[in-house]
Amino acid sequence: GAVVSQHPSRVICKSGTSVKIECRSLDFQATTMFWYRQFPKQSLMLMATSNEGSKATYEQGVEKDKFLINHASLTLSTLTVTSAHPEDSSFYICSASRLPSTDTQYFGPGTRLTVL
Amino acid sequence: AQKITQTQPGMFVQEKEAVTLDCTYDTSDQSYGLFWYKQPSSGEMIFLIYQGSYDEQNATEGRYSLNFQKARKSANLVISASQLGDSAMYFCAMREYSGNTPLVFGKGTRLSVIA
Repeated sequence: GAVVSQHPSRVICKSGTSVKIECRSLDFQATTMFWYRQFPKQSLMLMATSNEGSKATYEQGVEKDKFLINHASLTLSTLTVTSAHPEDSSFYICSASRLPSTDTQYFGPGTRLTVL
Repeated sequence: AQKITQTQPGMFVQEKEAVTLDCTYDTSDQSYGLFWYKQPSSGEMIFLIYQGSYDEQNATEGRYSLNFQKARKSANLVISASQLGDSAMYFCAMREYSGNTPLVFGKGTRLSVIA
């Protein structure tokens, strides 16, 4: 099956610092990647849709200046949490599709962010 | 707008028994896909089964089957012969095919398998 990796798997940072999370499709090209956030005991909530070579589309309520998304190649998308605060502590998961529309999405293993 | 509803926050099942996890959905699109994912405590999302809106037969994958009732807009997951390793969160999700749209998830059901 398709493999998606995320790095780092776990990060702890101080309030006010920025954290970059990488999402890579290892054995396929992904024109679109999705970023989700999951708070404890809650479901996955879509943050943004990342398209290779163009600006990301953010969901309502997600600050695009705080959560910077870059999809520079067909295998890599990055999410940067700028000036992180404790309320940004969450589980961040990316996903990617091999084909548009009809294929399932393959999820990365997730990144657990803790902001002190 | 699409919406996924999972009404069972938690379920218990005896080992080796079958269990049904409920999922209903709402969409105005004619073309869509329904998915079930398993999320163990590690957090990874494990794809279990897929049903397309035009598929006439219910999907099956090993011990997993999807009871698809299009008129009722339900897509229940049936796990047969439950195992202790099945204990996890289970999410129902839907994707509309009107564009390269993301998965939208239900709130999930926590399944606990009892020995």
